[in-house]
Amino acid sequence: DAGVIQSPRHEVTEMGQEVTLRCKPISGHDYLFWYRQTMMRGLELLIYFNNNVPIDDSGMPEDRFSAKMPNASFSTLKIQPSEPRDSAVYFCASSLELWGNIQYFGAGTRLSVL
Amino acid sequence: GDSVTQMEGPVTLSEEAFLTINCTYTATGYPSLFWYVQYPGEGLQLLLKATKADDKGSNKGFEATYRKETTSFHLEKGSVQVSDSAVYFCALSSANDKIIFGKGTRLHILP
Repeated sequence: DAGVIQSPRHEVTEMGQEVTLRCKPISGHDYLFWYRQTMMRGLELLIYFNNNVPIDDSGMPEDRFSAKMPNASFSTLKIQPSEPRDSAVYFCASSLELWGNIQYFGAGTRLSVL
Repeated sequence: GDSVTQMEGPVTLSEEAFLTINCTYTATGYPSLFWYVQYPGEGLQLLLKATKADDKGSNKGFEATYRKETTSFHLEKGSVQVSDSAVYFCALSSANDKIIFGKGTRLHILP
């Protein structure tokens, strides 16, 4: 398997624009996670899905953020409108199970909002 | 709630030095414990794990022992290399719950 695939790797946009980040999990993994990483706040869990259903979105910072998983092989994280404070590296990860299971991370999307 | 506390970095060592990165945890029940590593420009990847008390996880010369009596899972390596420079995350996973990561410890190895 190619691992977790994220696109784009880098995104530069202007404040107020819509940003869509994409993720393809490892085939057969039932769980998908979205994280945000910044120097100030470290690694934060935003939301996770089980079998395409959002289970816990308590980490989503505000209504400007939304995530979907229309099928088992694709998920998106959307920010609308984007703000400079959203600048971070966003990671997608997947795992077979929740408890005790290894999470496999993608290479991340580095987002810069100007 | 469950939590993980690891030593703050950055940690700077010379090549071939001994490494210890401390990690302690708070959890109900018997969590699984992990160390993940993040190399520059990459996502996190599993370095090692332990699922029960007194288990020792090991990989690439790194080791960590699950100590229930001290609620610790310290990462050690006898002789570090420049290529070990990365950020290291301690993490735990309790029953029916997602993984909780520590804040990460940045390691710099000087040649």
